[in-house]
Formats: sequence, structure tokens, C-alpha cells
Amino acid sequence: GQQLNQSPQSMFIQEGEDVSMNCTSSSIFNTWLWYKQDPGEGPVLLIALYKAGELTSNGRLTAQFGITRKDSFLNISASIPSDVGIYFCAGPGAGGTSYGKLTFGQGTILTVHP
Amino acid sequence: EAGVAQSPRYKIIEKRQSVAFWCNPISGHATLYWYQQILGQGPKLLIQFQNNGVVDDSQLPKDRFSAERLKGVDSTLKIQPAKLEDSAVYLCASSLIRGRAYEQYFGPGTRLTVT
Repeated sequence: GQQLNQSPQSMFIQEGEDVSMNCTSSSIFNTWLWYKQDPGEGPVLLIALYKAGELTSNGRLTAQFGITRKDSFLNISASIPSDVGIYFCAGPGAGGTSYGKLTFGQGTILTVHP
Repeated sequence: EAGVAQSPRYKIIEKRQSVAFWCNPISGHATLYWYQQILGQGPKLLIQFQNNGVVDDSQLPKDRFSAERLKGVDSTLKIQPAKLEDSAVYLCASSLIRGRAYEQYFGPGTRLTVT
């Protein structure tokens, strides 16, 4: 089946540092999404990307849709303690499946030390 | 705008018992999803509804799991009988049909523990 691989699996950083994480797919995607999940809560959509090469920002977060269409990147600038959580990439399911069906990566766990 | 509501938030049952979860999506969202999230993993889609019809249930273990969405609004997910491996967080999400269907809004989830 379709797989999304996120890297790194976990990160431990100091407050104020910048963060970079990525996601790769075994097949071409037309859409990439990045979600954040806080403990005990459901994932929250951060950024949606719809075009290869697209670079989109949401406050201190910036995500890019890789030009190969098999990868995406998420950057967080000047991290703060509330950035702690699990970051998931997601994309459409394998071809032939329903519109709206998402496959999620395994997540990158971010810890920010004050 | 109210978000996706789910209840209960937590449930502990013994194996072979049954359990049901409830979800109320964002008003106007025609598509509703149930996901299973096992600890340490990303969410995995179980079933997708569009209005009150099933669009995709290819990953739903139909021998024990069932779901319905009466009147195209609220939905319930049932497990009967539960197994130990069903311990997970069950997430409900909703989205618009067209254009932004991948932009899904999640509820807080129900954490199920099967002992």
C-alpha cells in the first residue's frame, strides 16, 4: 500500500531554534497537507499544498510541495514551547480510491526546551 | 463556528464487550470520516461517508466494526465484540465535498482501552 515516511521521527530543540522536517512518498501526490496534534486532541490542519513547487506560509510555519511531487517539507522558525506536539504529513490515498481519502505519515515528535 | 464533537472522550471495556462512539460534524460538511489512531502511529481511515452514503470502507474490519450516518449528519461507530488490539484513539473528521475535501477538521477523539 501507499506509504509516507517522515523524518526525523523525533526532535529535541531549544526555544528560539528553527526546525525542519520532511515527508516522502512512494508515489506522486497532487496534494500535500501538514497537521499538528497536541496531546489528547485531534490533528489540526496547518497548511495545505496543491501545486508542485508551491511554498506556503502560516505564521512561523512554512511548507513546500516538492517539485518531484514525491516529497514535502515543513519548517518552523523561532520555535516556542507551544510548538510541542506531533507533526503529521498527509496526502491522498492510492489511485482509484475515494476523493478525500488521506494517508498519514507516522509523525515527527517535536519537543522544545525553554 | 463549532468544531467536530465526539463522545465519549474515554472508554474502558473488557474484551468481547461492545462499544459505540458518536460524532457530530461541522455544520454544512457533507463528508464525514472515522479514523483509528494506534499509539505512535498516524491516523488510519476506517470509513468515509458522503451525506448518508458510504464512499469507502475498504479498511473497516466489517466482522466487528459497523458505522452509520443517519440523515447525513451525526454518525456512530460501533465495535462488537472488541478485541485487545482495538485499543486506540478513534477520531472523527469532516470536510466539504468539493475543492477542499482533503482539508479535514478533526474532533478530539475517543480513547478506547480494551482490557
